[in-house]
Amino acid sequence: KAGVTQTPRYLIKTRGQQVTLSCSPISGHRSVSWYQQTPGQGLQFLFEYFSETQRNKGNFPGRFSGRQFSNSRSEMNVSTLELGDSALYLCASSLEAGGFNEQFFGPGTRLTVL
Amino acid sequence: GENVEQHPSTLSVQEGDSAVIKCTYSDSASNYFPWYKQELGKGPQLIIDIRSNVGEKKDQRIAVTLNKTAKHFSLHITETQPEDSAVYFCAATLGNKLTFGGGTRVLVKP
Repeated sequence: KAGVTQTPRYLIKTRGQQVTLSCSPISGHRSVSWYQQTPGQGLQFLFEYFSETQRNKGNFPGRFSGRQFSNSRSEMNVSTLELGDSALYLCASSLEAGGFNEQFFGPGTRLTVL
Repeated sequence: GENVEQHPSTLSVQEGDSAVIKCTYSDSASNYFPWYKQELGKGPQLIIDIRSNVGEKKDQRIAVTLNKTAKHFSLHITETQPEDSAVYFCAATLGNKLTFGGGTRVLVKP
């Protein structure tokens, strides 16, 4: 079975721009969660989607948004980029929602904001 | 608020020795506690998990213990090897989402 894939792997943007990251979950997994990983803050939960619905949301500003498609693929968007948005963005897929099942992580997208 | 505290932040051990990482959590309703290993340039990978109805779980050189009363759980790695060098994260389900500890950077010296 193919693992979780994320595209692109690396991205460089400037302040004020917006960015869209993509995540393809493991086949059969309906839940996709997104995390931001930074050296100072560790792994921070952004949001979780299940069956095209946002099920849970972390403490991030409204500039961070996401969606999920009928094939369970998910995208997250960050608008009006700030320097502090530079981070590794990880997505994880699981069979069910709620954080009670094993989550399989992708390799991440490294976003650098200049 | 809901959080998971993890200690130590760095751990250096001699090859063959044991390594222990400890985590505490805030929500007594938490019932799922996974441990992840993250190697450089990769996403975290689950190495072992435990649910609240179990006090201990082992998988070869790795074991996890859970004390629900004290709200803490620990990862034990025995007979450490250089390939165990990585960052380890504990996590707990808090409020229907996984909340991660701050991570422990483990260095196994040959």
